[in-house]
Order: sequence, then C-alpha cells, then structure tokens
Amino acid sequence: KAGVTQTPRYLIKTRGQQVTLSCSPISGHRSVSWYQQTPGQGLQFLFEYFSETQRNKGNFPGRFSGRQFSNSRSEMNVSTLELGDSALYLCASSKAARANTEAFFGQGTRLTVV
Amino acid sequence: DQQVKQNSPSLSVQEGRISILNCDYTNSMFDYFLWYKKYPAEGPTFLISISSIKDKNEDGRFTVFLNKSAKHLSLHIVPSQPGDSAVYFCAANKAAGNKLTFGGGTRVLVKP
Repeated sequence: KAGVTQTPRYLIKTRGQQVTLSCSPISGHRSVSWYQQTPGQGLQFLFEYFSETQRNKGNFPGRFSGRQFSNSRSEMNVSTLELGDSALYLCASSKAARANTEAFFGQGTRLTVV
Repeated sequence: DQQVKQNSPSLSVQEGRISILNCDYTNSMFDYFLWYKKYPAEGPTFLISISSIKDKNEDGRFTVFLNKSAKHLSLHIVPSQPGDSAVYFCAANKAAGNKLTFGGGTRVLVKP
C-alpha cells in the first residue's frame, strides 16, 4: 500500500515568487492536513481539507492557501515568498474526519527561499 | 501559548534499557494523543496513539500512558534499540477534525 507522496522533495525559490506543493494521500484517505516545520517554531498546523472543503486553518497569513481535489489529492500554495517561509512542509493523510484517527505523514518538501 | 510541551529536549539511554518520554498539555479539550518518531529531513512516522477514555495503550515495545487529571502522557520504549535514536514528538487532537498540536520534540540517543 503506497504511503503519502509529496512532490517535489526539494525546492529553491527567490523572495517574492510563489510556489505550489503537491500531496497525494494514502488511497482511501479523505482528510489531508498540511504542516510547517522550522527550527524555531517546530511543527505547526497550516490547514486541513476533507472532501474538498477546508475544515480547519492554523495561524498563518493569507499568503498560504490550499485546495483539495475530488480524488483527495491536495496542493498548497505560498505567494510572495519571504525568507522566513524556508521550512520543511509536511502533508498528512487520515482516513476519516474525526479526531481519533491516525495521521500518516509524507516525506515532506524542503523549501528554501533565497 | 504552547499547549503541548515536551520539557526534556534530549534523552540518552543504554541499549536494552527503558526510554521514558514525557509530554504535558494544557488544553482540556484534547481527547486524542499520538506519538511520532522523526528522522531529519523526513516526515514523522506514527508510533502509537491513545484516546482520552483510556489510560494505557500498548503496541509491541511501545506503551503510552495517559493521566488526564495531571494532563500528562508518557511513552515507554522497552527495550530500547539503537534504531530508536530519533526525535520523538507527542501530538494532541480535539474532537473535530484532524488538527494536530505538536510538542517541541525530544531527541533520543540509544547507546550500544
């Protein structure tokens, strides 16, 4: 059974540009969540999608957005990149919408903003 | 406002002995707790979870204990193996949705 797939694995962008990251969840999983990991802030929740609807959102500026497609695949977009956006971006998929469900993570996308 | 805290940033243990990792939380609305293991530049790997209606859950070498009154959970790894050397995160979730709040992590080093 394939795990969570994130593409690309590594990305280098320039300040002011925008970037789109992709996540394919485990087959049959309908919930996709995104997290940002930085040395200073640790692992922080960005947003969660379930059945193409954003259900939860973390405390990030509007430059961070996402969407989910009918096949449960998800993308997140960061516009007007800042140096502080350099981080490991992680996607997690869960089978159901309720809390007592394990979340399985992908390998992450390492974004470097220069 | 750190709602989930892992107060020990690092832990060193001898191979074969027990590793005990601790986690405290402040939000009484959390009702599901998970432990993850993480290597650098990789995604977290799910280890074990526990619902707030239980006080213990066991899976192989991993046991998680939950003390709701103290808002405290711990992960026991017995016996510890060198391959267990990694950063361990506890995470908490509320009733609705999949929005995990993570602790800061504990780096475990298992010495042969």
